Amino acid sequence: GAVVSQHPSWVICKSGTSVKIECRSLDFQATTMFWYRQFPKQSLMLMATSNEGSKATYEQGVEKDKFLINHASLTLSTLTVTSAHPEDSSFYICSARDPGGPSYNEQFFGPGTRLTVL
Amino acid sequence: GQNIDQPTEMTATEGAIVQINCTYQTSGFNGLFWYQQHAGEAPTFLSYNVLDGLEEKGRFSSFLSRSKGYSYLLLKELQMKDSASYLCAVMDSNYQLIWGAGTKLIIKP
Repeated sequence: GAVVSQHPSWVICKSGTSVKIECRSLDFQATTMFWYRQFPKQSLMLMATSNEGSKATYEQGVEKDKFLINHASLTLSTLTVTSAHPEDSSFYICSARDPGGPSYNEQFFGPGTRLTVL
Repeated sequence: GQNIDQPTEMTATEGAIVQINCTYQTSGFNGLFWYQQHAGEAPTFLSYNVLDGLEEKGRFSSFLSRSKGYSYLLLKELQMKDSASYLCAVMDSNYQLIWGAGTKLIIKP
């Protein structure tokens, strides 16, 4: 199946700093990518839908100015957590649909980024 | 509102069979997915059902009844590596995935 990568896989930062997470589709072009957050022992929570060449669509309760999403190309979306605080510590996962794949609706997930804010 | 229900935790024995149920109520339906997620890792795709019936893929099978808003994931010949969380997700009319909380499956020797 299609491959999605994320970088970094693990990051520790100080409170107040900003962290950028990259999500890449390696062998297909993704017009739409999704950003999820998952707290321990909880399910995935969709944060936003990232659309190439246009503004991201954020879910209710997710601060646009805090979680900046840029989908500048068909293979790259970035999530920047600005002025991170300890409560932002979580597992961030991106996913993408492969419009040219055999299963149009299937989402392929990146390996995730574990963010710890001290 | 939209809702996906699945058991929080199940325990089974190595070599046995286990069925994980999922019921859903969503605005529209464009398919149901099952994903496997090991602790600390991202979900991996297991199955996709959009029509009623059983889809078999090796040791794993998935069943869907759209009229009942019901699906199950059947795992046969359980192995220790099958210990993981199993996530049920439904794609609604906006092609957005609605996720269940996941079922933690514990396999005992």
